Amino acid sequence: EVQLVESGGGLVKPGGSLRLSCAVSGFTFSDAWMSWVRQAPGKGLEWVGRIKSKTDGATTDYATPVKGRFTISRDDSRNMLYVQMNSLKTEDTAVYYCTTFAGWNRFDYWGQGALVTVSS
Amino acid sequence: QSALTQPASVSGSPGQSITISCTGTSSDVGGYNSVSWYQQHPGKAPKLMIYDVTNRPSGVSNRFSGSKSGNTASLTISGLQAEDEADYYCSSYRSSSTLFVFGSSTLYVFGPGTKVTVL
Repeated sequence: EVQLVESGGGLVKPGGSLRLSCAVSGFTFSDAWMSWVRQAPGKGLEWVGRIKSKTDGATTDYATPVKGRFTISRDDSRNMLYVQMNSLKTEDTAVYYCTTFAGWNRFDYWGQGALVTVSS
Repeated sequence: QSALTQPASVSGSPGQSITISCTGTSSDVGGYNSVSWYQQHPGKAPKLMIYDVTNRPSGVSNRFSGSKSGNTASLTISGLQAEDEADYYCSSYRSSSTLFVFGSSTLYVFGPGTKVTVL
């Protein structure tokens, strides 16, 4: 059974930093492309970024609003996905979902989400 | 403002069919067969319902179907059931060359969501 479990959410002040983690199981993580998608309270879904598998170069892409502030990484030895979030803004307040990614645009499996609140 | 356009709400009676539209541009919906649809119940994570415009993942009911014409994709739910009441989001790949058109290099865009109500 595929499982994705996010952790590390919480309250942080504007300008601060936070790192979210996602523990995965039930599939070969090292072969998987992974993504983060967020959802502001009462709002829709927004793609944050994606990391390819190491075989495909482990390269990353980011949405314009987070480019230069967020960094996605992976540790295949631990089956872990991360997103380091710096220079946080109030508009980054959201539930952050860890997802698998395949094909052209397929977010197959989702974690339960981690709430990040940016407020003074 | 979302990159894709969806109706805010759609409703239907049990057993009826409803269709949710998702309109984009030739740089996303119209240019690629990459539209996917997600169902989200309150307080829950989204669930993939349709990918690559028409494909259903294993385990998703065949009451859900997808299609596309030009820059507009559609999700149809037939034989509407109470459990179908949820928010539905469309998504599409968007060409990175749109940096100069939209001022954004975001590769994957979502619609604002459509609330489906079963009367």
